[in-house]
Amino acid sequence: DSGVTQTPKHLITATGQRVTLRCSPRSGDLSVYWYQQSLDQGLQFLIQYYNGEERAKGNILERFSAQQFPDLHSELNLSSLELGDSALYFCASSESAGSEAFFGQGTRLTVV
Amino acid sequence: EDQVTQSPEALRLQEGESSSLNCSYTVSGLRGLFWYRQDPGKGPEFLFTLYSAGEEKEKERLKATLTKKESFLHITAPKPEDSATYLCAVKGGGSNYKLTFGKGTLLTVNP
Repeated sequence: DSGVTQTPKHLITATGQRVTLRCSPRSGDLSVYWYQQSLDQGLQFLIQYYNGEERAKGNILERFSAQQFPDLHSELNLSSLELGDSALYFCASSESAGSEAFFGQGTRLTVV
Repeated sequence: EDQVTQSPEALRLQEGESSSLNCSYTVSGLRGLFWYRQDPGKGPEFLFTLYSAGEEKEKERLKATLTKKESFLHITAPKPEDSATYLCAVKGGGSNYKLTFGKGTLLTVNP
């Protein structure tokens, strides 16, 4: 158990809908990362927050947004969902900029 | 932009047959190089962090090494339970805190 908690574990929704994925980092970790992993694809970096502030952005679609709250948990919002958004979404957290990141078990999103 | 290339894409070994996985990287000011193991449908599991050339880390049958351009994950006398995808990632310097992953090496160890 990495100590990073993601909810829900599974999510099935229809095209055009909006969903929110939640991540609770390890105790004491200030940094949160979001990644997307599609079938047979590598981990695609979406966005990173450090102590509530956005620090790095990857190829995140405009339909996707995220935020980190004062209690350090983070949410990833996905809207106007398309079939191609079906993937595993991972959250990771780290103590500082240079330290290792620990991953949650992911949310499997299926868009039908 | 930071880049990570892992080879081979897939590797099949017999139990007890040692080998190495390669991770080549391009980064501006390496802040850290990380190795992870990922089982199907699971989150990546952290294995090692390497910070500077010449550094080595070991854990059971795994040993990670780092040079200025690449890292190797050596697997000694592997067992079937070592079968997984092994991922390499780098963090660059400056204000960019991005953690960039390679596509991974799928390791299969046959009994």
